[in-house]
Parts: sequence; C-alpha cells; structure tokens
Amino acid sequence: ELKVEQNPLFLSMQEGKNYTIYCNYSTTSDRLYWYRQDPGKSLESLFVLLSNGAVKQEGRLMASLDTKARLSTLHITAAVHDLSATYFCAVVSVRDMRFGAGTRLTVKP
Amino acid sequence: DVKVTQSSRYLVKRTGEKVFLECVQDMDHENMFWYRQDPGLGLRLIYFSYDVKMKEKGDIPEGYSVSREKKERFSLILESASTNQTSMYLCASSFFRLEVGPNEQFFGPGTRLTVL
Repeated sequence: ELKVEQNPLFLSMQEGKNYTIYCNYSTTSDRLYWYRQDPGKSLESLFVLLSNGAVKQEGRLMASLDTKARLSTLHITAAVHDLSATYFCAVVSVRDMRFGAGTRLTVKP
Repeated sequence: DVKVTQSSRYLVKRTGEKVFLECVQDMDHENMFWYRQDPGLGLRLIYFSYDVKMKEKGDIPEGYSVSREKKERFSLILESASTNQTSMYLCASSFFRLEVGPNEQFFGPGTRLTVL
C-alpha cells in the first residue's frame, strides 16, 4: 500500500530564510505532484515531477525528486509572506494517488 | 481553464439529515473524486469514479455514498449525517490515460459542512 509522509507538518519561518519540506513515500512511484492551498481556498497544482532527478523551479520554490530514495523536497529560498500556505505532495503509483498530510507554512516578517 | 465547482461553500445540517454535495467539472474528465480534509490528517479519499455510473471506495467510505449519472457531475451523499462528518469536503477531477495512470487532479473550492 502506498503511504506518503510529509514533514514537517508545521513550519514557521522568518522572511528571508531558507527551508525545505520533505515528502517520503513507501512504494515505487510514477510521478509526484506538489500542491499549494491558501487558507479557506482549494488546492492548486504547483509542480509535477516525472522522473528521477527531476527539478522544477518557480520563483522562490524549487521541487526535486529522487525516486531511488523515494523522496521529494520542496525548497523555499528567501521566504516572503506571500508563500504562507499549506503545501501538499501527492504521489502516484500505478493506479493509486495519495496525498501527504500537508505542511502549514507561516512566514513572519 | 479547468473549472470544478461545488454546490455550496458552507453548509449547516442537523444530525440525522440526508445531505447532498454536488460537484460539476467542465473539462470532460473521466475521473472524479471526493475527499474530506481535516486538520492534521490531510486529504482522505472517500470515493472516486472513473466513468459514468462507476464508483470505487476510497479509504473512508463508511457513512457516505456517491452517484455519477453524468460524466460532468459527481454527487456525495451523507445518508444520515453525524457530527463526526463535520469537515471540509473537496471534489476533484482528472483525466485518466491507461498508459500513464492517474493524472493531475483539479480541485473545487470545497464545501465546509457543519453537522450539529
């Protein structure tokens, strides 16, 4: 059974700092998605990672995938308040797609 | 733009009532999903459907049923609402291609259901 573990679940950071969110999964995966959810709103897709070593970047967010380690990371560079949200990874394996529990990120001035 | 809409943003019901949550997508997606989202538990899959009149149980189907009579519409039914079904309910849809498996899911705005 595919299991997805995300950590940390809560992250409070200062503006300008860097940090990484981790997404571990238990079985072989075909691809992995990162989603963002703003408070009171629905999920929006950020990245899709399709192969080992894949790296995607958008602004201050960079996502990478290591299929051998069954690990994806979402790295935040020089955080700004606008990045405050909950971030989910979602892992696809064969016919199954599972979401992590989410990381609630708060960026403080 | 893919659009997934849900019938209500906020809903308040009483214990024992029958509750219908409606979801409509406009992109001709084969797959549709119902999740509930609770603090600290992330998204949990209740039911999904990969075609009209087809449905599959997710991880937490107890107390719920679904209906998909048309491709664009997927309904979640709480036969007899209970207080532990107070939650945020999210609908999603996606394409499905056999050669690549599950695809990116597009989410609706969510329905926050309170059962008193």
